[in-house]
Amino acid sequence: AQKVTQAQTEISVVEKEDVTLDCVYETRDTTYYLFWYKQPPSGELVFLIRRNSFDEQNEISGRYSWNFQKSTSSFNFTITASQVVDSAVYFCALTNFGNEKLTFGTGTRLTIIP
Amino acid sequence: ETGVTQTPRHLVMGMTNKKSLKCEQHLGHNAMYWYKQSAKKPLELMFVYSLEERVENNSVPSRFSPECPNSSHLFLHLHTLQPEDSALYLCASSQSHPRGAENIQYFGAGTRLSVL
Repeated sequence: AQKVTQAQTEISVVEKEDVTLDCVYETRDTTYYLFWYKQPPSGELVFLIRRNSFDEQNEISGRYSWNFQKSTSSFNFTITASQVVDSAVYFCALTNFGNEKLTFGTGTRLTIIP
Repeated sequence: ETGVTQTPRHLVMGMTNKKSLKCEQHLGHNAMYWYKQSAKKPLELMFVYSLEERVENNSVPSRFSPECPNSSHLFLHLHTLQPEDSALYLCASSQSHPRGAENIQYFGAGTRLSVL
């Protein structure tokens, strides 16, 4: 069975601070994908990144960066110099290769205080 | 704009009503999904359609009835719902075939359903 744990239910930081959202996953599959989605107040889940299990390189996209470590089964997400527009619920998700089913974590509500 | 459009955005219905939620994707995808998002619970996958065939029904009560007339449209027909069915219903689409296709799910903005 697959499982995704986002232990941080809510985080609040002051604007311009850096913040890291944690994601720990469990799977018996050797080939899998990890995802991060953002859900702003408008409701839609916005795709941010997909990482496959063979690629442990960290990725940076503007103020966003992701740290994938298979040794600790973690896929953490860092926002640098946070902005008010980053306020949202962030979901980590997992699927194995060739499977349409995504297993989501319970989400982390991030509030950026101006 | 993600390319997945859901209507209506908000719906209030009584327990004896019949209503339908609509989802349309403009991304050329071949798989579509219905999810339920309740407060303080993980997203629950309800149904998956791949190549217009239902491939997943996650023990969803029969008062929820999906329909996928073509690869671009997905409906969720609702009848005799219960107050605990009040939630945000999200639709998603992806390119799930052939094996190894991108298979990233893109979501609509959801329908906020309230059952009185």
